[in-house]
Amino acid sequence: GAVVSQHPSRVICKSGTSVKIECRSLDFQATTMFWYRQFPKQSLMLMATSNEGSKATYEQGVEKDKFLINHASLTLSTLTVTSAHPEDSSFYICSATGGGNTIYFGEGSWLTVV
Amino acid sequence: LAKTTQPISMDSYEGQEVNITCSHNNIATNDYITWYQQFPSQGPRFIIQGYKTKVTNEVASLFIPADRKSSTLSLPRVSLSDTAVYYCLVGDTGNTPLVFGKGTRLSVIA
Repeated sequence: GAVVSQHPSRVICKSGTSVKIECRSLDFQATTMFWYRQFPKQSLMLMATSNEGSKATYEQGVEKDKFLINHASLTLSTLTVTSAHPEDSSFYICSATGGGNTIYFGEGSWLTVV
Repeated sequence: LAKTTQPISMDSYEGQEVNITCSHNNIATNDYITWYQQFPSQGPRFIIQGYKTKVTNEVASLFIPADRKSSTLSLPRVSLSDTAVYYCLVGDTGNTPLVFGKGTRLSVIA
């Protein structure tokens, strides 16, 4: 099946710094990508929808100035957590679709803010 | 987006068949039903997708009744490695984000 890859898989950053997570579709062009956040023992929570060449659509309660999403090409979307704080520590997962009926997920990225 | 309801948890012994049922009473005409498996610290993995009747692949079967208001994921002869959280989701196209419910935590016991 289609492959979606995230990088890095784990990252630790200091409070107040910014960190970027990449999401790539490896064998298909992803017109739309989605970003989720998942806390331990909880389900995935949708953060935003990223469309190639246009601004992301954020879910209610997600700060667009804190979680910057860029979808500059059909194979890459990035999530930048700006001025990260310990409460931003979480598992971040992206997913992508090439326009069909199936959405594929990346491996996830663990962010720890210390 | 249709809301789904699944059992919170299930236990099974190795070698048994496991059936997880999902209710989606408000499913729309264009919605597909997709099941994902998630292990700790990994992204959800696609298992199977269907629209109606029965779909089978190398890992599972998906049974969808005529009214499409529910679906059942069937895992034949589970093993310890099938211990995971299973999510049932419905959506109309791949461009619509999937909204996750709580999923079903399956524990396979030796």
